[in-house]
Amino acid sequence: KAGVTQTPRYLIKTRGQQVTLSCSPISGHRSVSWYQQTPGQGLQFLFEYFSETQRNKGNFPGRFSGRQFSNSRSEMNVSTLELGDSALYLCASSPSGEDTQYFGPGTRLTVL
Amino acid sequence: GENVEQHPSTLSVQEGDSAVIKCTYSDSASNYFPWYKQELGKGPQLIIDIRSNVGEKKDQRIAVTLNKTAKHFSLHITETQPEDSAVYFCAASDYSSASKIIFGSGTRLSIRP
Repeated sequence: KAGVTQTPRYLIKTRGQQVTLSCSPISGHRSVSWYQQTPGQGLQFLFEYFSETQRNKGNFPGRFSGRQFSNSRSEMNVSTLELGDSALYLCASSPSGEDTQYFGPGTRLTVL
Repeated sequence: GENVEQHPSTLSVQEGDSAVIKCTYSDSASNYFPWYKQELGKGPQLIIDIRSNVGEKKDQRIAVTLNKTAKHFSLHITETQPEDSAVYFCAASDYSSASKIIFGSGTRLSIRP
């Protein structure tokens, strides 16, 4: 099976802009979770989607949002970018969310 | 909520020697403990996991031990090789939701030739 794929792999944006990241889960996986990884804060949970519904949300401001499509593909959006949003954004999928997470390669977002 | 502490933050071992990374957790409800390896420029990859009804699990050169009473679990890598150089993360979860998975802060393992 193909693994989790994320596009784009790298992004450079300026403060105030908005960005959309995409994630395709492993075939058959219905749960997609998003994480932010930074050197200072480590791996932090953003949100989880299952069957097109947001099932859980981490402690991030409303500028961070996401959605999931009927084919389980997911997008994550960050509006009004801040310098502190610079991070590696990781997507992970699992069959139901109540089991092992399989991570994609991530999207490296740099905000200037 | 759950808190996972991981030690050491950096570890350097001679090629062929063993490496041990330790984690402690706080929530006694946690019952699933995966370990991830993250290489430069890649996402974390699951290398081994253990559930609370098991005390030890091995997969070739990698083993994980769990002590539920003391709330700690460890990763053991034997006969280390250069390709083992990476950042390793432990995690703990009550296996009910992806949102409940709490990661340790990571250990940067370097293998000296």
